[in-house]
Amino acid sequence: DAGVTQSPTHLIKTRGQQVTLRCSPKSGHDTVSWYQQALGQGPQFIFQYYEEEERQRGNFPDRFSGHQFPNYSSELNVNALLLGDSALYLCASSLWGPTGNYGYTFGSGTRLTVV
Amino acid sequence: AQSVTQLGSHVSVSEGALVLLRCNYSSSVPPYLFWYVQYPNQGLQLLLKYTSAATLVKGINGFEAEFKKSETSFHLTKPSAHMSDAAEYFCAVKRGDKLTFGKGITLSVRP
Repeated sequence: DAGVTQSPTHLIKTRGQQVTLRCSPKSGHDTVSWYQQALGQGPQFIFQYYEEEERQRGNFPDRFSGHQFPNYSSELNVNALLLGDSALYLCASSLWGPTGNYGYTFGSGTRLTVV
Repeated sequence: AQSVTQLGSHVSVSEGALVLLRCNYSSSVPPYLFWYVQYPNQGLQLLLKYTSAATLVKGINGFEAEFKKSETSFHLTKPSAHMSDAAEYFCAVKRGDKLTFGKGITLSVRP
């Protein structure tokens, strides 16, 4: 049973550039959430997608945007990259539902370095 | 807003010793609480979760955690540490479909 797949694993970009990160959820999951983990910190929620719509958003600027496709996979786009965007970006998939009984499955992340 | 506090950033134990990693939460309603482990250069792996059922939750790799409402705590324990337990541990609280993580605790295990 494939888990969450993220690509690429590592990426180096220059300030001001744009980047796209990709995530394929675990089989059977329909919801994708993105988290940013800066060095030495816990992950911070960016946003969540379900039924191809952004359902929740954390405290991140509009430079961060996303998309979910009909097959539930998702992309995270970051425009006008800043040095502070350097982090591990984690994708988590889950089943949509009204309770908290569902767990998240995390991918191994994409390490983004902005120089 | 719901949040979690992980006391201390680094815990060091000897192999075979008790592991105790502390987590306190702030919540106005019964929370859903999680412990995740992160090995170097990897994503997060779920150790265990509390979802308002039994207050003592058993997880993978011999870890367990006890939900104590009176202390607003959800500390993670393991009776006997193994070298393979060395990793970063995160406590998290869930409200709706959003997880809020603590800053994490690095566990080192001495031979």
